[in-house]
Amino acid sequence: KNQVEQSPQSLIILEGKNCTLQCNYTVSPFSNLRWYKQDTGRGPVSLTIMTFSENTKSNGRYTATLDADTKQSSLHITASQLSDSASYICVVSAVGTYKYIFGTGTRLKVLA
Amino acid sequence: NAGVTQTPKFQVLKTGQSMTLQCAQDMNHNSMYWYRQDPGMGLRLIYYSASEGTTDKGEVPNGYNVSRLNKREFSLRLESAAPSQTSVYFCASTRDPSNEQFFGPGTRLTVL
Repeated sequence: KNQVEQSPQSLIILEGKNCTLQCNYTVSPFSNLRWYKQDTGRGPVSLTIMTFSENTKSNGRYTATLDADTKQSSLHITASQLSDSASYICVVSAVGTYKYIFGTGTRLKVLA
Repeated sequence: NAGVTQTPKFQVLKTGQSMTLQCAQDMNHNSMYWYRQDPGMGLRLIYYSASEGTTDKGEVPNGYNVSRLNKREFSLRLESAAPSQTSVYFCASTRDPSNEQFFGPGTRLTVL
């Protein structure tokens, strides 16, 4: 069964610190992996999209990595800001499908 | 560009009532999607439309119907609402499955 699992479920860090969120998936055949940021009460917003051949992709202070062999991805947030407080969702799609498999997300809270 | 818009933002229904959730996008995207988001669960696909004139069932289609009215608009109908349909509903669109998926702001539906 195609699944996406994220850890940790929730995380609290101090402003200015770095953190790393994890995503493991069993979706096959793999097409691409996305990370989304979802602010409370809003729709998800795309941060990165990675295909099979991409190991790393950055978007400002957000850096995503992908290991297609172990089927793992991480999202690293550098020098966190209060505005980074949100849920971060990992999404994987399979080749030849219009469907996306969503993880349950990591809820990040950044404290001043 | 407004992106993806959804109406209404909030709705309260009684069991057995019907309603239609509206979604429109102004990005000339081919594919459109309806998801529901429940606490502790990832977004789940209800229905999608790969292109104008086509619709397909997703993971949780029971109790819902959809209409791809034209390329811009994709509506979701609840014929006889049930408390289990209490959720936040998101519409999304994308040019094609390999591209970024854009989400609307969501509709928060409560069925009493």
